[in-house]
Amino acid sequence: QQQVKQSPQSLIVQKGGISIINCAYENTAFDYFPWYQQFPGKGPALLIAIRPDVSEKKEGRFTISFNKSAKQFSLHIMDSQPGDSATYFCAAYNTGNQFYFGTGTSLTVIP
Amino acid sequence: DAGITQSPRHKVTETGTPVTLRCHQTENHRYMYWYRQDPGHGLRLIHYSYGVKDTDKGEVSDGYSVSRSKTEDFLLTLESATSSQTSVYFCAISERQGDTGELFFGEGSRLTVL
Repeated sequence: QQQVKQSPQSLIVQKGGISIINCAYENTAFDYFPWYQQFPGKGPALLIAIRPDVSEKKEGRFTISFNKSAKQFSLHIMDSQPGDSATYFCAAYNTGNQFYFGTGTSLTVIP
Repeated sequence: DAGITQSPRHKVTETGTPVTLRCHQTENHRYMYWYRQDPGHGLRLIHYSYGVKDTDKGEVSDGYSVSRSKTEDFLLTLESATSSQTSVYFCAISERQGDTGELFFGEGSRLTVL
């Protein structure tokens, strides 16, 4: 059973547009929600993360929106660039347990 | 980039043969992990280690064993490889656990079991 559900599976966005990736979870014990970015042939790398005591976190063009009551969180990439083309994974962590990753979203930004 | 080296990077083997993947780190991080990445499943934890000779199972540990005899090395062994173990395997390390410890991933080992 997938602990973290991620959508869409793939996303195509024009350069300058907004990319939005959504994730949902059921386990209310999760208390840390990172996003990882993976380029072809490379391992994932931490992009941005949020804890459930805040509703939004922004780092440059990347923003996480967090809705604790709905048990959903999303990644917004503003002014998307071709260099943002990668696979994005959301994840959730339960203190003392392990990370659970979403199934990934392949983002393509068209010039 | 975190100092993580996985070997081999690519391997093709036959069903029933043993396979060992190696992860070597130069960061002296306490925690080491083995994940597998499969389309439609994302990243799933196989085993992890929280110190030398201290290991525990993840969500997909069946058919895999691990060993950590030194801080810097974490080995993943498939005793008798099956086609369902065809995957890309990632090693990760972290200095601390969970929300105070970022996961740093290696570049992956692609295993094909024929």
